[in-house]
Amino acid sequence: KNEVEQSPQNLTAQEGEFITINCSYSVGISALHWLQQHPGGGIVSLFMLSSGKKKHGRLIATINIQEKHSSLHITASHPRDSAVYICAVEKGETSGSRLTFGEGTQLTVNP
Amino acid sequence: DTGVSQDPRHKITKRGQNVTFRCDPISEHNRLYWYRQTLGQGPEFLTYFQNEAQLEKSRLLSDRFSAERPKGSFSTLEIQRTEQGDSAMYLCASSFPGPSGTGELFFGEGSRLTVL
Repeated sequence: KNEVEQSPQNLTAQEGEFITINCSYSVGISALHWLQQHPGGGIVSLFMLSSGKKKHGRLIATINIQEKHSSLHITASHPRDSAVYICAVEKGETSGSRLTFGEGTQLTVNP
Repeated sequence: DTGVSQDPRHKITKRGQNVTFRCDPISEHNRLYWYRQTLGQGPEFLTYFQNEAQLEKSRLLSDRFSAERPKGSFSTLEIQRTEQGDSAMYLCASSFPGPSGTGELFFGEGSRLTVL
């Protein structure tokens, strides 16, 4: 069993839909990251959070430390949101350590 | 300095050859990470540095792999006697831990290695 699991693996939506991607982890963490990867490889950091909720534009990330679960929401989805979304955690109590990644969620938003 | 840069972006080599990748992090970032990603998978950790010190190496990093960050700035990742299984995207990331100790990660575009 992977220490970081994401669901769904693949997600297809129509433009304008509200999207949720889930991440569950089985280890103690100091921080959780949500990343976006477009075809060709470039990875962009979307959020880094250790508690609560963060919002940036149409993106919202939440984390529940007790339940070891995080969600990434996209409101009013757009075709340019199509990408792989990756959840990654920093294990243990010491922050700034290396990341353990989920497998990613391939999101396709159709016009 | 606008971001993390990696060189070369693409490398095709024959099995048994040595290859070296370079990563230039964002200049004030003291943490530098190397990850490897194969098609359809999430990245896997290889190694990371704080300044010039290599703090952790994955068991994935066999004795054919070596990484250096001699002056705490750029880093190199060398693979000796390449094998076809080494074909992957090699990603570099850097960060500067803030007051909470955790910093946002900035990734380079990656160096794609194909071993024939």
